[in-house]
Amino acid sequence: DAGVIQSPRHEVTEMGQEVTLRCKPISGHNSLFWYRQTMMRGLELLIYFNNNVPIDDSGMPEDRFSAKMPNASFSTLKIQPSEPRDSAVYFCASSDTKDYGGSETQYFGPGTRLLVL
Amino acid sequence: AQSVTQLDSHVSVSEGTPVLLRCNYSSSYSPSLFWYVQHPNKGLQLLLKYTSAATLVKGINGFEAEFKKSETSFHLTKPSAHMSDAAEYFCVVTPLEALNFGKGTSLLVTP
Repeated sequence: DAGVIQSPRHEVTEMGQEVTLRCKPISGHNSLFWYRQTMMRGLELLIYFNNNVPIDDSGMPEDRFSAKMPNASFSTLKIQPSEPRDSAVYFCASSDTKDYGGSETQYFGPGTRLLVL
Repeated sequence: AQSVTQLDSHVSVSEGTPVLLRCNYSSSYSPSLFWYVQHPNKGLQLLLKYTSAATLVKGINGFEAEFKKSETSFHLTKPSAHMSDAAEYFCVVTPLEALNFGKGTSLLVTP
């Protein structure tokens, strides 16, 4: 298996532009997580999906952020409009969750390094 | 509610000496606990996990951790550090939707 795939790996954009991050989870996994990592705040869970349904988006910082999972093999995290403080590494992770109890291992993608100028 | 505290933000050891990375947790029920490692410019990789089976858990690369309920701890150890162990280590307690990643411990290994 190729593991969790994220694209792009690096993104540099200007303030105000729309940014779309993409994630392909491991085939057969039914839970998908989006994280953000910064020096100041460490690793934060933004949102997670189970069976393509958003379960908890309380970590999404504000309305500029939105996430979708139209099918089991694809998810997007969109920032519109982007701001310099959104600069971070964004990770996607997936797991095979029979009944979400949190003990299942999450497999992380390589991350997308976003820089908003 | 669950939370996790990594007691050291930075740990420095010499190559060949033991490694101890400390993690304390709080949980209102029996938790599942994980250690993840992140090498520079890489994603996170699972080192080991505890899910109410044996309290001493062995992971990859010679790491192990012991779940101590009485001390609410899940410290990560390795008998002999290798240069390739230099990385950021995260202790995690479930359920993950409650932002239960520790702040991370940066391990530096010196020759």
